[in-house]
Amino acid sequence: AQSVAQPEDQVNVAEGNPLTVKCTYSVSGNPYLFWYVQYPNRGLQFLLKYITGDNLVKGSYGFEAEFNKSQTSFHLKKPSALVSDSALYFCAVRDMTGGGNKLTFGTGTQLKVEL
Amino acid sequence: DTAVSQTPKYLVTQMGNDKSIKCEQNLGHDTMYWYKQDSKKFLKIMFSYNNKELIINETVPNRFSPKSPDKAHLNLHINSLELGDSAVYFCASSRDRGTGELFFGEGSRLTVL
Repeated sequence: AQSVAQPEDQVNVAEGNPLTVKCTYSVSGNPYLFWYVQYPNRGLQFLLKYITGDNLVKGSYGFEAEFNKSQTSFHLKKPSALVSDSALYFCAVRDMTGGGNKLTFGTGTQLKVEL
Repeated sequence: DTAVSQTPKYLVTQMGNDKSIKCEQNLGHDTMYWYKQDSKKFLKIMFSYNNKELIINETVPNRFSPKSPDKAHLNLHINSLELGDSAVYFCASSRDRGTGELFFGEGSRLTVL
């Protein structure tokens, strides 16, 4: 089965500093990778995806992610963090095991951006 | 216009009761899902339907019964509720044969007392 791992439960960063939220993947075949964000008491919102092509993927709200095949990683990045970026971030991989199409999510990383 | 809408948003009930959560999507997608998010925020798929046909059933107790009257609706009925069923249930949809991106509803928080 396809899987992703998010090694950090929480990431703290000062506003204005760059941020990185880590994700590594384990897949057979070509990976379809995603990042989602969840604000308190809300549903998950799509940020960006990697299907194929450029290793640097740009997404919503100034976020980007770098696909690294040799390190099997798909880290989420932003050059300058905002307090409003504080939320729970999920990495996910498309999993078609068993004939269905689903996303398998990592355990989530809580991002806290402080003044 | 809300793309994926769920009702109710909050549900508080006693153990042993039966409850339903409804979901509707207006995106024209072929596939719909139910995910469960537990108290530690772990997200796990429960069911997936494609054009009213069940295609994913992830070892969920048979007290949970999804029903899809048409491809725009996917409801979740839960019988004999248990304390461990307390969670947030998310409905989602995606295009068939798409890149796999899911569109989520706002969630239904179920509390079993």
